[in-house]
Amino acid sequence: SQQGEEDPQALSIQEGENATMNCSYKTSINNLQWYRQNSGRGLVHLILIRSNEREKHSGRLRVTLDTSKKSSSLLITASRAADTASYFCATGDTGRRALTFGSGTRLQVQP
Amino acid sequence: SAVISQKPSRDICQRGTSLTIQCQVDSQVTMMFWYRQQPGQSLTLIATANQGSEATYESGFVIDKFPISRPNLTFSTLTVSNMSPEDSSIYLCSVESGDYQETQYFGPGTRLLVL
Repeated sequence: SQQGEEDPQALSIQEGENATMNCSYKTSINNLQWYRQNSGRGLVHLILIRSNEREKHSGRLRVTLDTSKKSSSLLITASRAADTASYFCATGDTGRRALTFGSGTRLQVQP
Repeated sequence: SAVISQKPSRDICQRGTSLTIQCQVDSQVTMMFWYRQQPGQSLTLIATANQGSEATYESGFVIDKFPISRPNLTFSTLTVSNMSPEDSSIYLCSVESGDYQETQYFGPGTRLLVL
């Protein structure tokens, strides 16, 4: 079942701008993972942040996690047209091995 | 990370027929997961498959409709039985990998269209 909501549902920006996507969830988690999906293909793993971490960086990606607010954000800096995709957050819930996915954000980066 | 392949990559099927989707991993893994992504939607877990035991299905998914096999630690199949147009979706398998078996990696998906 869907646990989380992501906002915005869709985001359109110009190349070079930053893109921020937010994810909220409802239960206790061990970790939260972000994925990218291009045009209905397979999911590419971007980054994992554990429940005891507050911020993580990977290249142009910055992820934050606030467990008190049950929310996370993904920031993509200096976006490129190739970043155009759908982005999903997924939680590794306590006591459960499978992931629970958010609703996703469709990002369009205009060249 | 784990490298996962799926077959077929896509198929068009007639209603009432069945399709078996294969998932192959390049390393031995304990748990494999099958997800469904309906058009324009997010991913929903169908079932979790452990080698040597029956798959565990999520609410709304039943073994008669989605039988799963897990004959060894690198392979699994999902069958979509007695298909209807509502089964048109992308079906994805995933596995845990990494230092603490936390990260889940996904196969490229099988895009199914039922006419």
